[in-house]
Amino acid sequence: GAVVSQHPSRVICKSGTSVKIECRSLDFQATTMFWYRQFPKQSLMLMATSNEGSKATYEQGVEKDKFLINHASLTLSTLTVTSAHPEDSSFYICSARPSGRGLSYEQYFGPGTRLTVT
Amino acid sequence: EDQVTQSPEALRLQEGESSSLNCSYTVSGLRGLFWYRQDPGKGPEFLFTLYSAGEEKEKERLKATLTKKESFLHITAPKPEDSATYLCAVQAWRDDKIIFGKGTRLHILP
Repeated sequence: GAVVSQHPSRVICKSGTSVKIECRSLDFQATTMFWYRQFPKQSLMLMATSNEGSKATYEQGVEKDKFLINHASLTLSTLTVTSAHPEDSSFYICSARPSGRGLSYEQYFGPGTRLTVT
Repeated sequence: EDQVTQSPEALRLQEGESSSLNCSYTVSGLRGLFWYRQDPGKGPEFLFTLYSAGEEKEKERLKATLTKKESFLHITAPKPEDSATYLCAVQAWRDDKIIFGKGTRLHILP
């Protein structure tokens, strides 16, 4: 149980285009999902917290107009990187926290999406 | 400020050589401490949640323990397939975020 999928796993796009990444919780509902970014040999950096049916909360320094997050259902959150540039190239990982799990607060992570902007 | 420090940064062990990874933390009101395993190019895999000092959890060759200031991940008789980066993270009661340490890269030599 507690499986999270991401699509696509890899994407290459040209500078100036937009890319959408999907994050789905497959066997549980998640009121709250999270988006992280990870650079090589570094730990995960939280970008934003996504709550179903409401606006995402972005971490300091993360451009909300560049990284659009939508959490339209209890099993799906999307991250759209708008007008992507080479510096946006990174490994993007989502996570989901199951709703209604009582005292369990752990997050379950997707497999990640490798974005390369040329 | 909440903080998580993991040591060592990297650890090389021979197969069968037991050891421990350390996670020191500072958090205002601990809700939970989490251990994850991450393989290269993949998302973190959940291992354990610990909630209070004195708590211990085990899974195969791994055992996690918690005190008021730190957590240890003990690995007993490791195998090459245990090679990965092990991440420690904490969550405070006041919000949903979890704060990650930088991880320990573990390499088990056959």
